[in-house]
Amino acid sequence: GAGVSQSPSNKVTEKGKDVELRCDPISGHTALYWYRQSLGQGLEFLIYFQGNSAPDKSGLPSDRFSAERTGGSVSTLTIQRTQQEDSAVYLCASSLAGQTYEQYFGPGTRLTVT
Amino acid sequence: AQSVTQLDSHVSVSEGTPVLLRCNYSSSYSPSLFWYVQHPNKGLQLLLKYTSAATLVKGINGFEAEFKKSETSFHLTKPSAHMSDAAEYFCVFSTDKLIFGTGTRLQVFP
Repeated sequence: GAGVSQSPSNKVTEKGKDVELRCDPISGHTALYWYRQSLGQGLEFLIYFQGNSAPDKSGLPSDRFSAERTGGSVSTLTIQRTQQEDSAVYLCASSLAGQTYEQYFGPGTRLTVT
Repeated sequence: AQSVTQLDSHVSVSEGTPVLLRCNYSSSYSPSLFWYVQHPNKGLQLLLKYTSAATLVKGINGFEAEFKKSETSFHLTKPSAHMSDAAEYFCVFSTDKLIFGTGTRLQVFP
């Protein structure tokens, strides 16, 4: 079956612009996660959805970052007024409810802020 | 606080020789630990998982890891490296979310 997909695969934007990153989880996976992977660093947890609710937003680095999920499926991560330090690969993962440990990751969106 | 520490940022081995990627954890209770692999330009993939059953865990592609409580370690090993093993490997701690180590880049030379 289809895996987790993310779009776009690459995004170059100018500092100060807003960007939207999209994640399509595996069908039937109720849990969805967003991570950020910066050069030379590990994965940084951003936010977690169970269904359309986000019980854990603790990883969002600032109020410029927001995410939503509709219909228990697609999720969008929005970064407003992008800064150069936002440049990273943004990864999305999904899992069955209660199976946090077995997350299936998408290929990521590489964001470059110039 | 729960955390994982990957002791080597880079490991280089020759094809056919053993692989050892080191990971230590810190936890006040029995942890759930995992190794994920990330091949270039590909998504992260679960390699193996430890969830308090057998301490020696076998994963995909011939990898295995041993949970040692006395040493607070969960090192990843493979008896014989293959060129296709070249990738970034992450030791991961699970609570209600995944906490990733900083990663170890494995290079395999012919």
